[in-house]
Amino acid sequence: ETGVTQTPRHLVMGMTNKKSLKCEQHLGHNAMYWYKQSAKKPLELMFVYSLEERVENNSVPSRFSPECPNSSHLFLHLHTLQPEDSALYLCASSQEKRGADNEQFFGPGTRLTVL
Amino acid sequence: AQKVTQAQTEISVVEKEDVTLDCVYETRDTTYYLFWYKQPPSGELVFLIRRNSFDEQNEISGRYSWNFQKSTSSFNFTITASQVVDSAVYFCALSEFGGSNFGNEKLTFGTGTRLTIIP
Repeated sequence: ETGVTQTPRHLVMGMTNKKSLKCEQHLGHNAMYWYKQSAKKPLELMFVYSLEERVENNSVPSRFSPECPNSSHLFLHLHTLQPEDSALYLCASSQEKRGADNEQFFGPGTRLTVL
Repeated sequence: AQKVTQAQTEISVVEKEDVTLDCVYETRDTTYYLFWYKQPPSGELVFLIRRNSFDEQNEISGRYSWNFQKSTSSFNFTITASQVVDSAVYFCALSEFGGSNFGNEKLTFGTGTRLTIIP
């Protein structure tokens, strides 16, 4: 596996379900991100982890719970979601170092539909 | 607050035509980075270019070129001799240094421009 992978690629869940999205990066990066992409809206940064510590949480509802057990893995735990949470969830990683080339590399996303 | 505007929601051109995607940004910082990403139907965003605010030289990479104009806060992207494989959604993004030990982790994206190349 190379780059950033995400599983599952598609997920349909009811509002009372609990599910988790998984992201894995094979690039040796030290920072990982969750973004939400809804139709007609800009990508929204949800969470940032650097060196396995959360450094950013952009007022995301508590029904989204991130977990970063190590620098290569990032999870997004989902619980009692709403239909408006249906979106493409993108994971990204980067090597965070001031002044260096630290572009974010994205995974293919998980298309989530909440019924 | 930073903001990125991509006024063109959708563009369609016939194959081999040139096409320019517009990007206008707002920021209070003097140090910032601008990016373009491509999102093909498969979903993942593909990094195309990163530009820092001190480098206004235009850049060309094959059929792709970028025009950074600080005076108008624009960072436009031109594809020459377009091909069907160029069909995708293109995002412009901006990041500022947040004063932390990290680099450009806070990306602000535009809403994207859907480009369709007609064979």
